[in-house]
Amino acid sequence: ETGVTQTPRHLVMGMTNKKSLKCEQHLGHNAMYWYKQSAKKPLELMFVYNFKEQTENNSVPSRFSPECPNSSHLFLHLHTLQPEDSALYLCASSQGDREGTDTQYFGPGTRLTVL
Amino acid sequence: EDKVVQSPLSLVVHEGDTVTLNCSYEVTNFRSLLWYKQEKKAPTFLFMLTSSGIEKKSGRLSSILDKKELFSILNITATQTGDSAIYLCAVAGSFGNEKLTFGTGTRLTIIP
Repeated sequence: ETGVTQTPRHLVMGMTNKKSLKCEQHLGHNAMYWYKQSAKKPLELMFVYNFKEQTENNSVPSRFSPECPNSSHLFLHLHTLQPEDSALYLCASSQGDREGTDTQYFGPGTRLTVL
Repeated sequence: EDKVVQSPLSLVVHEGDTVTLNCSYEVTNFRSLLWYKQEKKAPTFLFMLTSSGIEKKSGRLSSILDKKELFSILNITATQTGDSAIYLCAVAGSFGNEKLTFGTGTRLTIIP
């Protein structure tokens, strides 16, 4: 247990559905991240929130929409996804050191399948 | 663009063997290099290296960084079946640890 939880753990959705992924951290951290992990590819950073402000958006398609209502919770809203969006979506958190030297701790991930 | 290359891509050894995993990188304004272990889903943090030549050690695992040659190694001695996992290397550059660039990982399998 890393102190970062994600729900649901598995999700199957159609291309016309709207769903949300949830991440919660119990570590008192100030920075939260969304990553995408596809088969045989490196982890790809999608979004970064530091002190509730979005500081990174790595050219992610608009069908992925993040929301960070407070420093403990992070959502990823999904709509009209494509089959190639099927992947493991990992959430991480870190202290939010403004110098950018702290360590990220990962949640267990949501395995997403888009039909 | 920052880049991380890990080798080998996969490795199968017998329990008790010693393994060395490699990570080479190209990054603008290097800040740190991190190693993670990913078993089923969540990568778990192993080491963060910022200085050359200083070995970090945790039990049977150790790692060292060479900032001149731009690589790091992760050593595991007396391997156990519980060491079977994907080992990920990541580097942080100009934007610090907020923006990590990951390698594809080394899949390590330990045979009893």
